[in-house]
This record gives sequence, structure tokens and C-alpha cells, in this order.
Amino acid sequence: LAKTTQPISMDSYEGQEVNITCSHNNIATNDYITWYQQFPSQGPRFIIQGYKTKVTNEVASLFIPADRKSSTLSLPRVSLSDTAVYYCLVGNTDKLIFGTGTRLQVFP
Amino acid sequence: GAVVSQHPSRVICKSGTSVKIECRSLDFQATTMFWYRQFPKKSLMLMATSNEGSKATYEQGVEKDKFLINHASLTLSTLTVTSAHPEDSSFYICSFLGGQSTEAFFGQGTRLTVV
Repeated sequence: LAKTTQPISMDSYEGQEVNITCSHNNIATNDYITWYQQFPSQGPRFIIQGYKTKVTNEVASLFIPADRKSSTLSLPRVSLSDTAVYYCLVGNTDKLIFGTGTRLQVFP
Repeated sequence: GAVVSQHPSRVICKSGTSVKIECRSLDFQATTMFWYRQFPKKSLMLMATSNEGSKATYEQGVEKDKFLINHASLTLSTLTVTSAHPEDSSFYICSFLGGQSTEAFFGQGTRLTVV
């Protein structure tokens, strides 16, 4: 299982773009990269998933370089409601192991 | 996205009693299930993985006789905390994977308090 490393915390202001980078140096060929968001006392919620290059959906973008040893979650124009913990997971369907996550605090 | 219903959302029980947490997928069939526990301001810790019709595979350090997991069908899994102790107090979360999907869906979590 690929181990992931993320910043423990980040601060931002409303309206700014936030980029959270995750390192996964020993990612396997069949591993996907998935990001989840978790609010206090709730289960995690799927944000975005990718295998390589760039993926975009209605809430975020995911940038994955060619070597796939890292990935960056980009949240455009964050709001106060984006204050949460963001987890980067690397793997397939065998196991879902959560790393420490990044605690994002958005200020007005 | 798919809906996962987890009940109860909150439970308080006495030491020595057992508590059952139920997790249902409402609109898809789940081949793989994961159960997690989470302590305040900590990450989710995987407890066990189960496939429908098979025994659960427990992570190292998780007592299988204490945390009984039953993946009875493609839409239902239960976690029973037996002979609960105050140190079992935690936030428990279930998760489903369906078919060939690589996206996991999570329940709302259960806050267990053992007094």
C-alpha cells in the first residue's frame, strides 16, 4: 500500500484558490488517487479521483504529474464551508487506508 | 452519489453490554465493506475489511471476538461491539465499495459512548 504524506494543516481566506499536495512515492501501477473531505462527526465524502494527468469536476481539480508520485487537489474560490479535513488515498479496491489528512481552515 | 445509511448515529451504553451498528447501502450492491474507528482530531483507522459472504479480515491489533462484523448481504453490514468498555468509546464509520467501482461511499458515522 502506498503511503501518503500531506501537510497537517493549511489556512486560507474566502475566495482564494487552495492547493493541497500529497506525496505518494511508492504508488503502484494499478493504484488510483482519491481525495475525500470530512467534516466533524460525519463520514468522509468523495471529492475527486484520478489515475494520471488532470481531472476536473464541479467542485475540484486533481493534478497528477507523469511520474504519479504526487498529486495536487485544487479547490477554486474556497468558502467558509470548505473548512474541513481533506484526505488523499492511494490504492485500489483491496483496502482504503487513510493518512493523517490536511486540516483546511478558511477564514472570512 | 450513492447513499449509505448508518444507524444509530449516536449511542450510549453501559460497560459490559453489546452494541450493534448497522450499515446499509440504499441504492447499490456493495461487494466490499470497510469499518473504521476514529478518535477526536485523528484520522480514520481501518478496523476490518469484509466481502459479502466471507469472513471479515481484521487489521492487526483489532480483536475479532470483540468487534464482530457480519456482511450478511450486498446491502447490509453490521458491526457489533461486544462487552463494551469505556475505551471502546469512539466514532465508528462504515464504507462500501460497489462492483468495479473504485469510489467508496461512507456512512454518517456512529458516536459510541460507553459509560
